[in-house]
This record gives sequence, C-alpha cells and structure tokens, in this order.
Amino acid sequence: ELKVEQNPLFLSMQEGKNYTIYCNYSTTSDRLYWYRQDPGKSLESLFVLLSNGAVKQEGRLMASLDTKARLSTLHITAAVHDLSATYFCAVDIGGATNKLIFGTGTLLAVQP
Amino acid sequence: ETGVTQTPRHLVMGMTNKKSLKCEQHLGHNAMYWYKQSAKKPLELMFVYSLEERVENNSVPSRFSPECPNSSHLFLHLHTLQPEDSALYLCASSRRVGWTEAFFGQGTRLTVV
Repeated sequence: ELKVEQNPLFLSMQEGKNYTIYCNYSTTSDRLYWYRQDPGKSLESLFVLLSNGAVKQEGRLMASLDTKARLSTLHITAAVHDLSATYFCAVDIGGATNKLIFGTGTLLAVQP
Repeated sequence: ETGVTQTPRHLVMGMTNKKSLKCEQHLGHNAMYWYKQSAKKPLELMFVYSLEERVENNSVPSRFSPECPNSSHLFLHLHTLQPEDSALYLCASSRRVGWTEAFFGQGTRLTVV
C-alpha cells in the first residue's frame, strides 16, 4: 500500500529555533510538493522538487529531496510566528491522471 | 487568492437533502479535481476531470456526483449523505492532467447532520 508519512504530526517550537519536518514515502517518485495550509484557507504551494538532490529555499524554509531514500525534508530556520500553519508534502506517483498522494500534514505552532 | 473559487464556504445539510458544491477557476487550466480532507486523514483525491471529461473516479460512493460543464467550472452534487461525509472538500486545477502543480480553492466545509 502506498504511504506518505510525515513526522512529526504536531510541532510546537519557539521563535528563533530551527527544526525539520520529514516526509517519507513508500513508492518510486522523482517529484514532490510541499504545501502550506492556514486554518480555513486554501493549500498554498511552497516548493516543487523535481529530481534527486533538489534543494529549494524560500525565506526561512528550505526543502530537499532524496529519491533514493524516498525522503523529503522541510527545514525551518529561526522560526517566526507567521510560519504557524499545517504543512503537507505530496508525492507525484505519475501515471496519466496526475495523482498526488498527500501526507497527513504537520501542524506547526511557533510560540513567542 | 489562488484563482480557484469555491462556493459555498460552509454548508450544513441533512442526510436527506440534495445540495451542490461549486468550483470555478480563472487560470485557463484544463484539469480540475475534487479532494476530500477529513480530520486526521490525508487529502483524498476523489475525481479528476480533463477538458470536461472525467478521467478518474477513486472509488467514490455514488452519493457524490461530479459534473464539469466546461473547463472552468466543476460541481459536486451531493445527495443522501452520511455523517461520516462531513469534511472539507477542496477543488483544485492544473494546466493539464499529468501536470501536478495544482492550485487549490479555499474549500467548502461540509457538515452532515
């Protein structure tokens, strides 16, 4: 069974601290997405990782992809309260119908 | 604003009611999707449409009936739902099927009573 697992499911961290969210998946894929969702809002695309070793950074967030290990990470540097949200990874399993398999999400709460 | 608009934002319906969710995209995309987001579960893909033609139905019960009259509009018709169908229903679009950078609407929070 195809699985996309995120770890941790809930993360409470202090402002200024660093932390990493992990996304493990159980099938072959060379394309992975990270999304952010604020309460009551849409999913916002953060990163598209298209190949093994891909690394992308935007502000305090950096995402990487290791297709051999079937692992993606989302690293948060010097967290600020505005980063509080739920973060989802989604794996593209290919095929003709554009299938994204989502992780369960990581709820991030950044405390002052 | 992502260019994908869903209405209504909230809906409460009885198990014998019939209602419809609407999604509209202004991005010129050719593919549209319905996802279900339940508490403590991953997003589940329900339906995929490409240029108004349904290309995937992920074993969704027949009480959910999608309709795509044109490439900009997508509906989800609901009838005789169960309380376990209560969830956030998200619409998304992408340039085409197989192009997985999807843009999501804000969702319809559905409560079945």
